[in-house]
Amino acid sequence: DAGITQSPRHKVTETGTPVTLRCHQTENHRYMYWYRQDPGHGLRLIHYSYGVKDTDKGEVSDGYSVSRSKTEDFLLTLESATSSQTSVYFCAISEGDRTSYGYTFGSGTRLTVV
Amino acid sequence: RKEVEQDPGPFNVPEGATVAFNCTYSNSASQSFFWYRQDCRKEPKLLMSVYSSGNEDGRFTAQLNRASQYISLLIRDSKLSDSATYLCVVYTVSGTYKYIFGTGTRLKVLA
Repeated sequence: DAGITQSPRHKVTETGTPVTLRCHQTENHRYMYWYRQDPGHGLRLIHYSYGVKDTDKGEVSDGYSVSRSKTEDFLLTLESATSSQTSVYFCAISEGDRTSYGYTFGSGTRLTVV
Repeated sequence: RKEVEQDPGPFNVPEGATVAFNCTYSNSASQSFFWYRQDCRKEPKLLMSVYSSGNEDGRFTAQLNRASQYISLLIRDSKLSDSATYLCVVYTVSGTYKYIFGTGTRLKVLA
């Protein structure tokens, strides 16, 4: 009954290659987010979207781009992967920008850049 | 100073014990507060929101102290299944919105 799925779940890629992670939701939520989680840093926002074709940068957006052509899909692209982008990536959705709703997270993508 | 700080733990407690975690935040303009639970190698899941008056959900109680700028989570009658990392989240609007995660406090409940 997962309302949010991420793909792939695991990926190993080489330095310098482009990588795209996908987030798909079935909840029709307007807001979608991409986070990365690294030891000692907690979850950090990469990019977020507040509607189709409406996106904005988060605190760690360098080296990443996003696209949202449909309500249900939010893509994160690492334009040229670097070892510092080895991380666990989580997508999240929320009903509105008032975060009293809280977020629902996807299961995550473990990305290793070698 | 980090915007949201948590003691990383681990807190090792026996089953049935009561355990409490605190989380401090630096921005007095912070508006909303949450606790999330994250199991090992899993995604975070919303545990509860934290209201100004304090709130309870079963064995879990959350409190907010705006004067001292911290929130707390109390777990009574700990279960083995409570073993997880607990993330504090603070929502602040200061120019732009910020939903800031703490690095988490790890709890291990021992049999």
